[in-house]
Amino acid sequence: AQSVTQLGSHVSVSEGALVLLRCNYSSSVPPYLFWYVQYPNQGLQLLLKYTSAATLVKGINGFEAEFKKSETSFHLTKPSAHMSDAAEYFCAVSPLPYNNNDMRFGAGTRLTVKP
Amino acid sequence: NAGVTQTPKFRVLKTGQSMTLLCAQDMNHEYMYWYRQDPGMGLRLIHYSVGEGTTAKGEVPDGYNVSRLKKQNFLLGLESAAPSQTSVYFCASSYYDSFSSYNEQFFGPGTRLTVL
Repeated sequence: AQSVTQLGSHVSVSEGALVLLRCNYSSSVPPYLFWYVQYPNQGLQLLLKYTSAATLVKGINGFEAEFKKSETSFHLTKPSAHMSDAAEYFCAVSPLPYNNNDMRFGAGTRLTVKP
Repeated sequence: NAGVTQTPKFRVLKTGQSMTLLCAQDMNHEYMYWYRQDPGMGLRLIHYSVGEGTTAKGEVPDGYNVSRLKKQNFLLGLESAAPSQTSVYFCASSYYDSFSSYNEQFFGPGTRLTVL
């Protein structure tokens, strides 16, 4: 069975500061890993994904994440926060072979960006 | 394209009442899913469908039924609502590509359901 743990249900940063959202996963088989973003009153949108190619993955809106097998982590970063980044972020894991039905989501981290 | 739409956006039910949530997609996707989102728990899969006329149970199916009579629609039913079913419900759809290792899910905007 696979699962993800997101450290910190709320993260607050100042505009222009580094964004770091933490995700650790547990999986008995090689995983696919994902970050989704949810803006207020909207559904989830895929931010980026790791599918066993490059360990550093670049996504939309300047976000990136690095897969670290030794640390079982897939942390999300952005060098400089923008007010429009305020949203809830979900990490998710799925075992291989990939199947949407087996995807497991973390509890989410709400990002606040202060002016 | 409208993508994935959900009806209604909000609903308040009394315990024991029934209702149906409608999900529609115009992307000709084969697969459709119903999730519930609860505070501190992320999304959990309720039921899913891999094609018209087929449905299957997900992680938390109890208390829900689904139907996929048309490819573009996926209905989620609550026969006798309970307060524990207070949640935000999301529908999603994805295409099927046997040659692809990953098929992205596209999510609707959600339905906020309160059961009193």
